Amino acid sequence: AQTVTQSQPEMSVQEAETVTLSCTYDTSENNYYLFWYKQPPSRQMILVIRQEAYKQQNATENRFSVNFQKAAKSFSLKISDSQLGDTAMYFCAFMRDNAGNMLTFGGGTRLMVKP
Amino acid sequence: EPEVTQTPSHQVTQMGQEVILRCVPISNHLYFYWYRQILGQKVEFLVSFYNNEISEKSEIFDDQFSVERPDGSNFTLKIRSTKLEDSAMYFCASQGPGKDGYEQYFGPGTRLTVT
Repeated sequence: AQTVTQSQPEMSVQEAETVTLSCTYDTSENNYYLFWYKQPPSRQMILVIRQEAYKQQNATENRFSVNFQKAAKSFSLKISDSQLGDTAMYFCAFMRDNAGNMLTFGGGTRLMVKP
Repeated sequence: EPEVTQTPSHQVTQMGQEVILRCVPISNHLYFYWYRQILGQKVEFLVSFYNNEISEKSEIFDDQFSVERPDGSNFTLKIRSTKLEDSAMYFCASQGPGKDGYEQYFGPGTRLTVT
């Protein structure tokens, strides 16, 4: 079974600064996918970024990037130039390779962006 | 852009009553999921559905739960006799074929309150 751990229950950052959210996971699989989801107060689950484990290059999406360390089983999210709209819960999630497999979520990190 | 929809957005029911939560997945998607999130906790997998049958389920998904795809467009979650601890946000997700087949698209959720 897979487990996903987010060790930071809450974090805060000043607007326009950079923040990094941590995630570690445990699996015996070699091929898998990792995701970061954002959940604003509306509680909608919004995909922020994804990483395929077979890709060595770290994924980036505009102000969001990841630091994927496969050997260490670490998958952190960096948010650059933080904006007030980034205030939300952030969940790290793991999925075994192939469609049809469930997502396993971490416990989440509540991020507050301060003006 | 296609999206997953869920109805109702909020359902209040009395303990012991049956509820049906409805989802309309993205039309060409093949894999369907239900997740739940108890307030303040992480998102938990309930069940996955493919080719008109359950492909995987968690220990949460006991005999009180069932899923159905009655007409080729709707995907429903039924709870036969609700308990107080069933109060949660229920998310439907769908996943399609093609190069993005590993990405799960979430609906906005149904908030279930059992009194």
